[in-house]
Amino acid sequence: QKEVEQDPGPLSVPEGAIVSLNCTYSNSAFQYFMWYRQYSRKGPELLMYTYSSGNKEDGRFTAQVDKSSKYISLFIRDSQPSDSATYLCAIWGRAGLTGGGNKLTFGTGTQLKVEL
Amino acid sequence: NAGVTQTPKFQVLKTGQSMTLQCAQDMNHNSMYWYRQDPGMGLRLIYYSASEGTTDKGEVPNGYNVSRLNKREFSLRLESAAPSQTSVYFCASSDSDTPGWAQYFGPGTRLTVL
Repeated sequence: QKEVEQDPGPLSVPEGAIVSLNCTYSNSAFQYFMWYRQYSRKGPELLMYTYSSGNKEDGRFTAQVDKSSKYISLFIRDSQPSDSATYLCAIWGRAGLTGGGNKLTFGTGTQLKVEL
Repeated sequence: NAGVTQTPKFQVLKTGQSMTLQCAQDMNHNSMYWYRQDPGMGLRLIYYSASEGTTDKGEVPNGYNVSRLNKREFSLRLESAAPSQTSVYFCASSDSDTPGWAQYFGPGTRLTVL
């Protein structure tokens, strides 16, 4: 079982729709939860970051964390064609790296297309 | 303020050739990372450097070496390239390698090994 599971899509929605993107994770020691957006042929860029269970809002974006279910979501309201990208969830936690230390574990990404 | 820069943007190698991917950041970050991104696999950590003067293995270090040249620069070397190393390579940096710090990514290097 992967540490972080994410539906790869593609997900296609009309402009103005509410988009829901989701990830599940298996390690309850995971502590910090992030969403990155990656445009085609570009590097990922940080969208949102949250620590606790509950909701965090930033403009049209809302990140939701349910630690009891090990489930995180990103909602996009009033979606725009410029939101078309791949969305990666990423979770910080201790992991079995050879050198010890912490690791940011990424989901495989959900490809979103917002159509006019 | 360029953020994280990577060179080259594209590279084609033959099996057995060597090359070094360069990464530099101008955000005065302490920690730097190298990832590879493959379809269906997501981003996987190759090596990281928690601070200047230290480097550690990530999930998939075999076939790679790294050098933290100074606080700004972190290079990734392929000594004898293999087709399995065909991938997109991203460098990232953050204030710290402790949990919670955001990582900032470069634009990537697309590498093809024939």
